[in-house]
Amino acid sequence: GAVVSQHPSRVICKSGTSVKIECRSLDFQATTMFWYRQFPKQSLMLMATSNEGSKATYEQGVEKDKFLINHASLTLSTLTVTSAHPEDSSFYICSTGQGQNTEAFFGQGTRLTVV
Amino acid sequence: AQTVTQSQPEMSVQEAETVTLSCTYDTSESDYYLFWYKQPPSRQMILVIRQEAYKQQNATENRFSVNFQKAAKSFSLKISDSQLGDAAMYFCAYTGGFGNEKLTFGTGTRLTIIP
Repeated sequence: GAVVSQHPSRVICKSGTSVKIECRSLDFQATTMFWYRQFPKQSLMLMATSNEGSKATYEQGVEKDKFLINHASLTLSTLTVTSAHPEDSSFYICSTGQGQNTEAFFGQGTRLTVV
Repeated sequence: AQTVTQSQPEMSVQEAETVTLSCTYDTSESDYYLFWYKQPPSRQMILVIRQEAYKQQNATENRFSVNFQKAAKSFSLKISDSQLGDAAMYFCAYTGGFGNEKLTFGTGTRLTIIP
């Protein structure tokens, strides 16, 4: 089946720096990519919807200037956590959309630790 | 807005026995999809089973089956002949009809298999 490759799987960064997370669709074109955040022992919370060639749509309460999403091509969507702080430490997961006849495909996730 | 509720934070079952995980949802739409996802310790999201709302027949995938009660907005997952590899977090998820691709997840149920 289709594969979404997410990198890095783990990253530790210093407070105040920025971190970029990439999600690549390896054998298909993803016009839409969803970015989720998952706190320990909690569910996946949608942060934003990324559409190729247009601005991302952010969920209520998500700071768009802090979580920059770029979907410049049909195979790559990126999430950049800017000026990271310890409270941004979390597990971030991307996924493709759920189509009529296809399932959603998830990246492997990125564990971000801000120290 | 659609909501998905899982009332069982944790469940346990003896190996080879059967366990049922509960899920209820709220929607005003008539056409939608429901899913059960498994998240093992690796945290990779794995699709277990999917149900189209317009289908009256309950979905089955090997040892996994669902009890879909549309009027009651209930969607439970039955795991038969439980195996050690079934231990994971299980998330119930919802997505709307065609063109609405994002997934709304429940809070999850942690399933433990007792050898």
